[in-house]
Amino acid sequence: DVKVTQSSRYLVKRTGEKVFLECVQDMDHENMFWYRQDPGLGLRLIYFSYDVKMKEKGDIPEGYSVSREKKERFSLILESASTNQTSMYLCASSEQGPILGSGNTIYFGEGSWLTVV
Amino acid sequence: KNEVEQSPQNLTAQEGEFITINCSYSVGISALHWLQQHPGGGIVSLFMLSSGKKKHGRLIATINIQEKHSSLHITASHPRDSAVYICAVNSGGSNYKLTFGKGTLLTVNP
Repeated sequence: DVKVTQSSRYLVKRTGEKVFLECVQDMDHENMFWYRQDPGLGLRLIYFSYDVKMKEKGDIPEGYSVSREKKERFSLILESASTNQTSMYLCASSEQGPILGSGNTIYFGEGSWLTVV
Repeated sequence: KNEVEQSPQNLTAQEGEFITINCSYSVGISALHWLQQHPGGGIVSLFMLSSGKKKHGRLIATINIQEKHSSLHITASHPRDSAVYICAVNSGGSNYKLTFGKGTLLTVNP
């Protein structure tokens, strides 16, 4: 079974803390993604990575950074957590398609519920 | 205006009913995805399609590229089908960036 594993399901952090959300996939996928999901707004892309050490900003990168030192691991970092970053965070991965634009099945983790107080 | 619109937002059905969820999009796409999210958060990919129709068990997904419209059908619905169903599209030229609809909350009562 293919698997995307997020290290923490539920976290409570204080304003100003540095927060790490870890994601590991076992499918040797090139692409990895971090999304946040908020009621009424749907899923929004924070960052994605298409290879080791490569990253691109998504739609809402402000306040976040990422790290991809190994192909299987993609970390989301909140440098100084704020209450407006309270949300559900989803990691995902997919293969790099042979043809640009072909699309590929995307696999999601179980989600990490972060509360910043 | 969101590039991906789903309807209805909420749907309640009785067990056994035939369900249809619709997705319309306004951009050129290379692929469309139907996803299922159960309470608790995890999302599962149901279908990825770029033309025609796909079937998996009681689920059927269709897409009409000319009309920029897709439907997800559930036959003989069951309470375990209760979930949020999300439509997402790969915009043309991108095999990674997905644009998501806001989801349809389906509740199937016994």
